[in-house]
Amino acid sequence: GESVGLHLPTLSVQEGDNSIINCAYSNSASDYFIWYKQESGKGPQFIIDIRSNMDKRQGQRVTVLLNKTVKHLSLQIAATQPGDSAVYFCAENSSNQFYFGTGTSLTVIP
Amino acid sequence: NAGVTQTPKFQVLKTGQSMTLQCAQDMNHEYMSWYRQDPGMGLRLIHYSVGAGITDQGEVPNGYNVSRSTTEDFPLRLLSAAPSQTSVYFCASSFHGAEDTQYFGPGTRLTVL
Repeated sequence: GESVGLHLPTLSVQEGDNSIINCAYSNSASDYFIWYKQESGKGPQFIIDIRSNMDKRQGQRVTVLLNKTVKHLSLQIAATQPGDSAVYFCAENSSNQFYFGTGTSLTVIP
Repeated sequence: NAGVTQTPKFQVLKTGQSMTLQCAQDMNHEYMSWYRQDPGMGLRLIHYSVGAGITDQGEVPNGYNVSRSTTEDFPLRLLSAAPSQTSVYFCASSFHGAEDTQYFGPGTRLTVL
């Protein structure tokens, strides 16, 4: 199967700082990537996606960067807020299936 | 739209019992899928469907059956529950297959004793 991993299982940031969550993937044929946010007791919530023909995509306070050369994906959250505290997952699509990483727990310190 | 709905929210089974987890979506999505989430292992794909009448296996299909008789519904059946199937189960759907944003249901927490 696919291997999608995260460099850091936990991340703590001060409120107002920027957060960066990293993800490595193993299948160079993967062509679509999504970042999800999951709060306790809830299902994953879509944050932002990127296709393999792009290297950067921006949303509201979030940016996803894709480096296909080293098979690395990152999620940047600007001006992190307490409501951003959650577990963040990256997912890659390959052959009509999604493969998820184990997640990074983000804690925002007020 | 209600989005993706799942029932029940919680379920406790004894080893060997069978049950069906229900999933429905009202967004006319073609693609539906079932995942299980275990601590420290992220989400793993059990089965998926690219349209009514079509299903396929994911990463961890053993012990589970699915069917897709309508676009809206995608039930997951546990044939003979085992403690290893204790997990949180999520259903997801997307409009145009896996190349599209997946929307997740709220999950079903299953405990097998």
